[in-house]
Amino acid sequence: NAGVTQTPKFRVLKTGQSMTLLCAQDMNHEYMYWYRQDPGMGLRLIHYSVGEGTTAKGEVPDGYNVSRLKKQNFLLGLESAAPSQTSVYFCASNLAAGELFFGEGSRLTVL
Amino acid sequence: EDQVTQSPEALRLQEGESSSLNCSYTVSGLRGLFWYRQDPGKGPEFLFTLYSAGEEKEKERLKATLTKKESFLHITAPKPEDSATYLCAVYRYNNNDMRFGAGTRLTVKP
Repeated sequence: NAGVTQTPKFRVLKTGQSMTLLCAQDMNHEYMYWYRQDPGMGLRLIHYSVGEGTTAKGEVPDGYNVSRLKKQNFLLGLESAAPSQTSVYFCASNLAAGELFFGEGSRLTVL
Repeated sequence: EDQVTQSPEALRLQEGESSSLNCSYTVSGLRGLFWYRQDPGKGPEFLFTLYSAGEEKEKERLKATLTKKESFLHITAPKPEDSATYLCAVYRYNNNDMRFGAGTRLTVKP
């Protein structure tokens, strides 16, 4: 069972570069989320989606964009990376109000 | 403003030494409180969901309880393999997101 798969797992960017993180889930979940995790700050929600074609802002959305063109995929984009975006990014999915299923994380370093 | 606060930040126990982790919350309209376990380099894994004050759930050496203001994760006779970061999170009515605490990093020494 694949569950939630994130690619890439590691990435190093220079300030100002752009990139896209891909999240894919095979559980037919309606809801998908992107979180970032920083030391001492826990998981903070960036953006989420309640269904194909929909997206919404979370707690820390600035500097990120997302798209949900297919139900199983949720993309997180950084148009112009900044050192403050160095973090571990987690994708998650669930049925409404149910427990979250997380991916293994994507570690991003912005120099 | 809704808040989720976990304490302590870190806890070191000897194998077999029972203890409790705390998660206090102030949210408007709690729909559910969740506990997750996170191992280094991995994504969080679901442990429990609690929905109403007085509810308790158990799994092996772990027991989670819920009051109107806080939740406890009790660890009975822990083993080294229980070492991990434990996260609590709240799901609120009229919101589609789960708000997390910063976590408690538990280390169990043999």
